[in-house]
Amino acid sequence: GNSVTQMEGPVTLSEEAFLTINCTYTATGYPSLFWYVQYPGEGLQLLLKATKADDKGSNKGFEATYRKETTSFHLEKGSVQVSDSAVYFCALSDPSYGQNFVFGPGTRLSVLP
Amino acid sequence: NAGVTQTPKFRILKIGQSMTLQCAQDMNHNYMYWYRQDPGMGLKLIYYSVGAGITDKGEVPNGYNVSRSTTEDFPLRLELAAPSQTSVYFCASSSSGPDTEAFFGQGTRLTVV
Repeated sequence: GNSVTQMEGPVTLSEEAFLTINCTYTATGYPSLFWYVQYPGEGLQLLLKATKADDKGSNKGFEATYRKETTSFHLEKGSVQVSDSAVYFCALSDPSYGQNFVFGPGTRLSVLP
Repeated sequence: NAGVTQTPKFRILKIGQSMTLQCAQDMNHNYMYWYRQDPGMGLKLIYYSVGAGITDKGEVPNGYNVSRSTTEDFPLRLELAAPSQTSVYFCASSSSGPDTEAFFGQGTRLTVV
């Protein structure tokens, strides 16, 4: 079946540091890939997405590129801020399997001033 | 913009009690989902629906029931609550298609004592 693996946290960085959160996936079809962010006490919000190979999703300074050859969708940001502290989830959706979304375990990011 | 609305936000149940978690969306989405989020475990799919009158089991359906009588509403029923059902529950909805995203409610934090 489809699955998503992402690096375990927690990740602690200083403000303005470079962020990478690794995500790899297993899918039998051609999935769309997503990064969701969850701030404390809130639901998940879409951060960015990519729907086909070599697409780059970007939002709020975050970027991720859909790499079919390595089945990866790593999240990056050049300079993190304290306000980026949250839990980040990598996810896929494969329409050939009923439009269900499969989520990774989440990576907690803490950014210190 | 209401989006996905869940009620209640918090609830404490005694073992053996029953309750219904309410979920409503105003985006005319066909797909609706119930997830549970346990600490460090990501999201696990409980039930999903592809349209009014159609529901199906997800990864962890035991102890829960759902119904989908309208496009807008997708309540989750807990019968005979158990401590293992202590979790945060998220409802989500999406349209169909390869580039659609899931929209999440704010969550219901349930404690069974």
